[in-house]
Amino acid sequence: EVQLVQSGAEVKKPGESLKISCKGSGYSFTTYWIGWVRQMPGKGLEWMGIIYPGDSDTRYSPSFQGQVTISADKSISTAYLQWSSLKASDTAMYYCARHSGFPLNHGWFDPWGQGTLVTVSS
Amino acid sequence: QSVLTQPPSASGTPGQRVTISCSGSSSNIGSNTVNWYQQLPGTAPKVLIYSNNQWPSGVPDRFSGSKSDTSASLAIRGLQSEDEADYYCAAWDDSQNGWVFGGGTKLTVL
Repeated sequence: EVQLVQSGAEVKKPGESLKISCKGSGYSFTTYWIGWVRQMPGKGLEWMGIIYPGDSDTRYSPSFQGQVTISADKSISTAYLQWSSLKASDTAMYYCARHSGFPLNHGWFDPWGQGTLVTVSS
Repeated sequence: QSVLTQPPSASGTPGQRVTISCSGSSSNIGSNTVNWYQQLPGTAPKVLIYSNNQWPSGVPDRFSGSKSDTSASLAIRGLQSEDEADYYCAAWDDSQNGWVFGGGTKLTVL
């Protein structure tokens, strides 16, 4: 079974750093793009960026470029989303999702991880 | 303001047919395929329709997708109470060089 399992909920203070993870299993991790999606409380889905673990090719949404870093460690089939200095406005649920289909602009996201809730509050 | 435009809400009674629209532009829906995601309350999204009108395994054919020019639609026939969820359309945008989502439509089964 193809599965993405994300790390647990986090509570952080403004200015702190954070790295959350997404571990893939049941498929060849290096041959599928992994995307990250933000969902702020009571709001819709926003695409943040995507990484190809095979060669670490990474693309960012203009809205998130410079705000977060996406990385992957193919040796442990895990993708990461990290912040160097969190803000209260980073409070949200974050989902990872495997990209399927070819090429990149004609694919879709399936499956999705269960989500990681990040709360940033002083 | 989302790049793709969806109605914020839709509703229907059990057994009815409901459609949800998704309006975009030539840089997204007009030149790329459309996917639809269903998000049940308190859960992660899941793909409902991909490549405009394809069903992933396990999705009933009560759900169907279509695309015309710069717009797309999701139709649900034989509405059931368990269809109550948020629905999102998504497509690649050539201008932004990335994925864009609609704002989501909350479907209520009356």
